[in-house]
Amino acid sequence: SQTIHQWPATLVQPVGSPLSLECTVEGTSNPNLYWYRQAAGRGLQLLFYSVGIGQISSEVPQNLSASRPQDRQFILSSKKLLLSDSGFYLCAWTERSNSPLHFGNGTRLTVT
Amino acid sequence: AQSVTQLGSHVSVSEGALVLLRCNYSSSVPPYLFWYVQYPNQGLQLLLKYTTGATLVKGINGFEAEFKKSETSFHLTKPSAHMSDAAEYFCAVSGDNNAGNMLTFGGGTRLMVKP
Repeated sequence: SQTIHQWPATLVQPVGSPLSLECTVEGTSNPNLYWYRQAAGRGLQLLFYSVGIGQISSEVPQNLSASRPQDRQFILSSKKLLLSDSGFYLCAWTERSNSPLHFGNGTRLTVT
Repeated sequence: AQSVTQLGSHVSVSEGALVLLRCNYSSSVPPYLFWYVQYPNQGLQLLLKYTTGATLVKGINGFEAEFKKSETSFHLTKPSAHMSDAAEYFCAVSGDNNAGNMLTFGGGTRLMVKP
């Protein structure tokens, strides 16, 4: 069966520090991969998606970036965090069809 | 383009009462529709999905939803609320055949269950 792992679960970082969140999927090949963010009291905001290795599409311009170095690995990064980057970050995957998204357990990021 | 509107950001029901969470969508192609539930500090879990066929879809935890094309709706219901149903619920639509197979989510409805 397929599983998705996302870490760390919680993270507290000072403003201006770098960020690296990692997500891996097991049990499937060539998944579409996604990064979403939930700010406090708000809905889901799609940040990035990837349909293949090295292919990244950005939905919202900001100081975050994403990379997909391997088929089932998706990384969210920042060189310098802002206070506004605080939120709950969710990784998700799906097959190449109109099938459901499968979410990781999320990372709670607090920028202080 | 596709969009989802969830009416009511907060819904409160008593334990044992009917749960009705509303979702309306717009899509230029036949939609695929989904309901997700999110418990605090967790990811989203799929409750149910509609792709084709039967318009009444049954999901986990006693929830069901009915696809009504004429009303462009996909409301989520449960006959009797439990305390454990307190969570945030998201409706989502797909089907515009976009390259990223992206779902479009509604803003979410927080369900509160009173004892």
